[in-house]
Parts: sequence; structure tokens; C-alpha cells
Amino acid sequence: SQQGEEDPQALSIQEGENATMNCSYKTSINNLQWYRQNSGRGLVHLILIRSNEREKHSGRLRVTLDTSKKSSSLLITASRAADTASYFCATAKGSNYKLTFGKGTLLTVNP
Amino acid sequence: NAGVTQTPKFQVLKTGQSMTLQCAQDMNHNSMYWYRQDPGMGLRLIYYSASEGTTDKGEVPNGYNVSRLNKREFSLRLESAAPSQTSVYFCASSGTDRTKLSNQPQHFGDGTRLSIL
Repeated sequence: SQQGEEDPQALSIQEGENATMNCSYKTSINNLQWYRQNSGRGLVHLILIRSNEREKHSGRLRVTLDTSKKSSSLLITASRAADTASYFCATAKGSNYKLTFGKGTLLTVNP
Repeated sequence: NAGVTQTPKFQVLKTGQSMTLQCAQDMNHNSMYWYRQDPGMGLRLIYYSASEGTTDKGEVPNGYNVSRLNKREFSLRLESAAPSQTSVYFCASSGTDRTKLSNQPQHFGDGTRLSIL
């Protein structure tokens, strides 16, 4: 069963705008990870946030985690056409290092 | 660095045929995984290998078998292919630090696109 669920399923914005994607999950987690998948390619790890962290930054990416609401958000600032991809959240539970992936958000950045 | 290499990239099979998907990683990772990705379903874990010599079932193991040949290689076998196994298959690996397995990202290959007629 899917642990993480992304919202929205699809998002279309103009270059330069910010993109926000949300992820909700059902059970307690050890960490939450975000991945990007370009069309026809494998997933690429973007950022990992541990359950005791509330916010993390990496370049133009900002991830927040609210364990009380069991939710996370990924913000991409000043988006570029090259950011067009599907974005997945994945959760890891306890000492179990297996990941459970959501269904993804398809982001389209129009030039 | 090659990272995670999957072969073949594309394959068409007839129902009932068998096939082995190959995966190799050159990052000295301990853990390896096989996922399938179907439209609207995200990624689902088929089997995983926490370390060399061990394998375990994931969410959707029926119809598949795996072999962790050595630390680098993890293969996925379809003994009798069915149309429901038409999918994109991804191999991934993670973990060089055994004490931090739960906080390490996974690295993915570019997938094998498998069609079963």
C-alpha cells in the first residue's frame, strides 16, 4: 500500500515561479525523502529530512516536515524549464530502510 | 561513475516466456532493490536484498524471483511472464554505512521497459 500521497497530481507553472508540492503519509516515519524523475529516466534523490528535523534546504529546494500532521512539502524556488519532471516523496519507517513511494506530482515548467 | 546499470533497457516477451533482468552497482552499496512502476501507481517494491546473501519479499513479489549474486549484482527473474507484468522495472541500491541504513538515499538505474504480449 502507498504510504506517501503527493498533492497535487499535476502542476503547471511559468518559468521563474515557485512550485510547491505536498506529501501526506499515514504512520510514523524515520525519515522522508524526495526524488525527481525525468521522463524515461530513473529516480534521482533530491533531499532527505529526518523525523526530528522541521526544515531543510538544498540550493533552490526547501523541504518542510510536520510530523504532527504527517505531512511534508517541497518548494522549488525560481523554477526553470529543466525542473520539468515527476516528483515523488518516499518514507522510511523505524529501522526499516525500505522506502515506500507515493504516486508522484508531475511538474511542468513552461518557458 | 556508472552508478546502477540495468540490462536490457527494453524487452518484449510472449506470455509464458521466462526472462532475467540484470542489475549491477559500482558504489559498494550493501542493499539493493527491485521496483516496478506502473502508470498512476508510483513505485512498488518487488524484492530487496539488505546485504549480500540475503533477500526478502517486498510489496508485490508474486511471479518473481531474485538472486543476489554478489555484492555488486542483483537479478530479477520472471519464470513465466504474464501480461500483468508489463511494466517499467527499476533497480536501486543504497547504504555503505551499516549503522545508518535507514537514513541513506537510494540510487536508481534508468529502468527496463518490459512488454508482455
